[in-house]
Amino acid sequence: LAKTTQPISMDSYEGQEVNITCSHNNIATNDYITWYQQFPSQGPRFIIQGYKTKVTNEVASLFIPADRKSSTLSLPRVSLSDTAVYYCLVDSGSARQLTFGSGTQLTVLP
Amino acid sequence: EAGVAQSPRYKIIEKRQSVAFWCNPISGHATLYWYQQILGQGPKLLIQFQNNGVVDDSQLPKDRFSAERLKGVDSTLKIQPAKLEDSAVYLCASRTFKAGGPTDTQYFGPGTRLTVL
Repeated sequence: LAKTTQPISMDSYEGQEVNITCSHNNIATNDYITWYQQFPSQGPRFIIQGYKTKVTNEVASLFIPADRKSSTLSLPRVSLSDTAVYYCLVDSGSARQLTFGSGTQLTVLP
Repeated sequence: EAGVAQSPRYKIIEKRQSVAFWCNPISGHATLYWYQQILGQGPKLLIQFQNNGVVDDSQLPKDRFSAERLKGVDSTLKIQPAKLEDSAVYLCASRTFKAGGPTDTQYFGPGTRLTVL
C-alpha cells in the first residue's frame, strides 16, 4: 500500500507560486499520482494527474522525478480562493491503493 | 455533464438508530466508491463497486455497515446501528473503468454529513 506524506499546512500570499511536495516511497509501477483539492463542505475535486516528468494543465503543474518517490504540485500565482486542503493520491485503479493522506491545508493570505 | 449526486446532504440521528445514504454516479461510470471522512482527516475508502459487484470491502465494518449497487447504477450505504464514532462525512465517487493504461480520475459527490448523538 503506497502511503503518502505531505506537510500538514502551508501559508502563502496572493500572487505567489506555491509548491506542495508529497512523498510516496512505496509507489508501484502501475500507480499514477493524482492531486485533489477540497473546500469545506465539498467533495475532493481533481486538479492534475501524472506518471512521470512534468504535466501541466490550466490550473497547475505536477513535477515527478525519475524515481517517482515524490511529486510536487505547483500552483502559479495563488489567490484567496485557492485556500483549501490539497491531497495527493497514488492510484492504480485498485481499491487497495486508494489511501488518502491527511492532506495539506493551504492558506492564502491577502 | 451532471456530477455525482448524493442525498441527504445532512443527517442527525441518535446512536443505535439506522441511517441510509444514496448515491447516483455520473452516467456511464462503471466504478463507484464510498468513502468516510472524519473531520480533519483524508477520505478513507469503505467499499468499491465495479458495475453491481463488490471489488473491495475490506475496510467496511460489516457488522454495522452495508452497501449495495443494484443494476450497476445507484448505490446505497446503510449503517445499523449507528455509533457515535460514525459521525463523519460520507462521500461517494465514481469513475470510468479503463483496464490498463492511465487511470481516469474520480469524481466526488458533495457528501452526506452524518452526526450521531
